[in-house]
Amino acid sequence: DQQVKQNSPSLSVQEGRISILNCDYTNSMFDYFLWYKKYPAEGPTFLISISSIKDKNEDGRFTVFLNKSAKHLSLHIVPSQPGDSAVYFCAASGASNTGKLIFGQGTTLQVKP
Amino acid sequence: NAGVTQTPKFQVLKTGQSMTLQCAQDMNHEYMSWYRQDPGMGLRLIHYSVGAGITDQGEVPNGYNVSRSTTEDFPLRLLSAAPSQTSVYFCASSYSLLGSGNTIYFGEGSWLTVV
Repeated sequence: DQQVKQNSPSLSVQEGRISILNCDYTNSMFDYFLWYKKYPAEGPTFLISISSIKDKNEDGRFTVFLNKSAKHLSLHIVPSQPGDSAVYFCAASGASNTGKLIFGQGTTLQVKP
Repeated sequence: NAGVTQTPKFQVLKTGQSMTLQCAQDMNHEYMSWYRQDPGMGLRLIHYSVGAGITDQGEVPNGYNVSRSTTEDFPLRLLSAAPSQTSVYFCASSYSLLGSGNTIYFGEGSWLTVV
């Protein structure tokens, strides 16, 4: 039972355009969501997060949107750069925002110059 | 600042052998955890600890043991390695409550192959 799903295994966009990565979840008890970026042979690195009391959080080129009624979140990267090419994981945390994360399968983003 | 340090980076084991993956963090985080990453499945939680002397199971705990004798260290033991344990293992640490700038930090990973 996959509680956090990233249904697109891969995404390819042109440099300078917008990248939109999507994530769906099934457990209504999740109240904190994070996006991680992972390069090959490295550990995941934190990108941006959002609490369930918000519907948007922005940090530079990265914006995360949360639609609680649809149990859906998305990560927007504008403008996309070749260095953004990586695997992006969406993750969710349950009650009390503990460090116990449930991850999606990941989406591989390729940004073409 | 070393962050989260895992050793070894690469290991090949024979079926039935035992080994320990080491993890240390220098950020005084209460929370430490171990994940495994398999193709197409994202990261799955194996075991976690909310503080020294306290451990609990995650999604996929079978075949693994952990202990937390100090705040800094959280080793993962494979008691009798099986080919199904071939994976990339990540150790992570954080303050117990996420948000307000707190997040989870991951080590660089340990590649384990069981033949």
